Formats: sequence, C-alpha cells, structure tokens
Amino acid sequence: GENVEQHPSTLSVQEGDSAVIKCTYSDSASNYFPWYKQELGKGPQLIIDIRSNVGEKKDQRIAVTLNKTAKHFSLHITETQPEDSAVYFCAASNDYKLSFGAGTTVTVRA
Amino acid sequence: KAGVTQTPRYLIKTRGQQVTLSCSPISGHRSVSWYQQTPGQGLQFLFEYFSETQRNKGNFPGRFSGRQFSNSRSEMNVSTLELGDSALYLCASSFGDEGVLGETQYFGPGTRLLVL
Repeated sequence: GENVEQHPSTLSVQEGDSAVIKCTYSDSASNYFPWYKQELGKGPQLIIDIRSNVGEKKDQRIAVTLNKTAKHFSLHITETQPEDSAVYFCAASNDYKLSFGAGTTVTVRA
Repeated sequence: KAGVTQTPRYLIKTRGQQVTLSCSPISGHRSVSWYQQTPGQGLQFLFEYFSETQRNKGNFPGRFSGRQFSNSRSEMNVSTLELGDSALYLCASSFGDEGVLGETQYFGPGTRLLVL
C-alpha cells in the first residue's frame, strides 16, 4: 500500500518568515495530493491540493509543489502569521483512500 | 452550505460494548469515508461508501463495520470494544464521481471515543 513520510515533525518559525513541509510517497499510481490543517478539537481542513497533472499550485500565501519523478511534494507558507499555528498533514491518494503523513506541528512565534 | 456533521461528538464506553457513530455528508455528496486518528498511528483509512456500497476498505479487523443509507448518511459500528479503539473517528465526504482525477474530501469535526 501507499506509504507517506512527512518532515519535519515539528517546526517553529518567527512570524513573517516562511515555513516548508516536505512529504514523500511510495506508490507511483497516486495522483492526488491534498494538504490539511488541523486545529485543536477540530477535524482536518483542506488548505490546498494538487493533482498529478500539475507541478505547482499557489493560493495567496500557500503554495504546493509536486515532483512526480522523485515522488515528493512540498507545502510552502510565506509571511507566516500566528493563526497559521496548527498541525499540518500531507496525504496521497489514487482512489478514495487517503494515506496521510504523520503530521507537522507548526508554531509561529510572535 | 452546511458542512459534514458527526454525532455524537463525545462518547465513553467500556470494553466489550459496541458503539455506533453517525455521519451526515455535505448535501450532494454521495461518497463517505471514515478514518481513525490516534496519537500513535496517526490518521488511518477505515472504509469508504458510495451509493450504499462499500467501495474501499482499509486494514482494520471485522469488528469495524459501516453502512450507508439512500440519503448518503453513513454509520460506522465498532463491536466488542477494546482499549485501543479509543480514538477520534473522522468522517469525510465527497461527490464520489469515478474517473475524476482526485476529489476533495471534506472532513467533519469527528467523534471522540474513549474506551474504559
């Protein structure tokens, strides 16, 4: 089955700096890669996703890149704000089964 | 548009009991997936239902089962509860159309189950 590895497990950044989270996947058939943000006591919330026919996608301060050859994808958050503090999960899918990374706890220091 | 709703939000059970959790998907969504989230194992896929049929299944024992109704609402059942079943159970919904390159799944707030 699919195996998704996510790094780092924790990330502390100064407000205004950038944050980068990296994930690798094992199944070359995976074609959909969403990123979720989870705050305490809430379910995961989709923040951005990318499909295998696209190499990069941007939405305001958030961007995702995908390298299918190397089987890795990354999340970039620019100009971080205190409200960006949360746990972020990457996932990979080639049907309706999402395989998740272990999560990255992001702390934005004021 | 209302999001995915799950009931109950919190549940306390004892070992050996069974439990039923409910999920109402976003209006128009016909696919419902269930996930288990624990600190040790992270987010793991349980199963997915589409048009009242189980379409995908994860690697969980048969004690975990589910069903979907004609209005797309879904329930999952865990029988003979074990301490290790304590977790946040998340439901996610999507349109479910096949042949689409990656459909967004929207998650509910989850049901937190504690087994004593």
